[in-house]
Amino acid sequence: EVQLMESGGGLVQPGGSLRLSCAASGFTFSTYWMSWIRQAPGKGLEWVANIKQDGSGEFYVDSVKGRFNISRDNAKNSLYLQMNSLRAEDTAVYYCARGYPRSVTAFEYWGQGTLVTVSS
Amino acid sequence: DIVMTQSPLSLPVTLGQPASISCRSSQSLVYSDGNTYLNWFQQRPGQSPRRLIYKVSNRDSGVPDRFSGSGSGTDFTLKISRVEAEDVGVYYCMQGIQWPPTFGQGTKVEIK
Repeated sequence: EVQLMESGGGLVQPGGSLRLSCAASGFTFSTYWMSWIRQAPGKGLEWVANIKQDGSGEFYVDSVKGRFNISRDNAKNSLYLQMNSLRAEDTAVYYCARGYPRSVTAFEYWGQGTLVTVSS
Repeated sequence: DIVMTQSPLSLPVTLGQPASISCRSSQSLVYSDGNTYLNWFQQRPGQSPRRLIYKVSNRDSGVPDRFSGSGSGTDFTLKISRVEAEDVGVYYCMQGIQWPPTFGQGTKVEIK
């Protein structure tokens, strides 16, 4: 059974940093693109970033470029999102999801999410 | 960025009756490989999103056959043939043809 479990969320002050993790199981992690997608309270879904199977390619939404960094450790079946210079508008539930958007695997599995709150 | 526009944004439905959600994209979602990368997701209250449909009309494993997707180019539709109580939630369309992948605003389905 495919499982994705996020962790690392919490309350952080504006300008602060946080590192999210996503532990994957039930599939061969190293063979899939992985993504982070977020949902602000009461709002819709916004794709944030994704990373190629071997970590050699990364894409980001414009609003987080230069502040967020996606990475993965295939030996640990884990995905990460390093978030720096956090802003109030980054407050959201962050989900990790499996798959490449332009394929049959597009976001076919999601984790339960982890809440990030940016506030003083 | 490709803008995805859903309608209606709120859809009250009677149990056992059909429901239909429209999704329009600001550009064609047909890729050079001939495929159309349009997906539908369901988010039940308090839960994570779940993919229902990929590439316009392909149901994911375990998705009831009362859900169906159709459309082409820039106009797409998700239909529920007979709404059940467990179908309450918000439905999103999403395009994967161009970076960044973008979602519609969501359509909230509720029981009358």
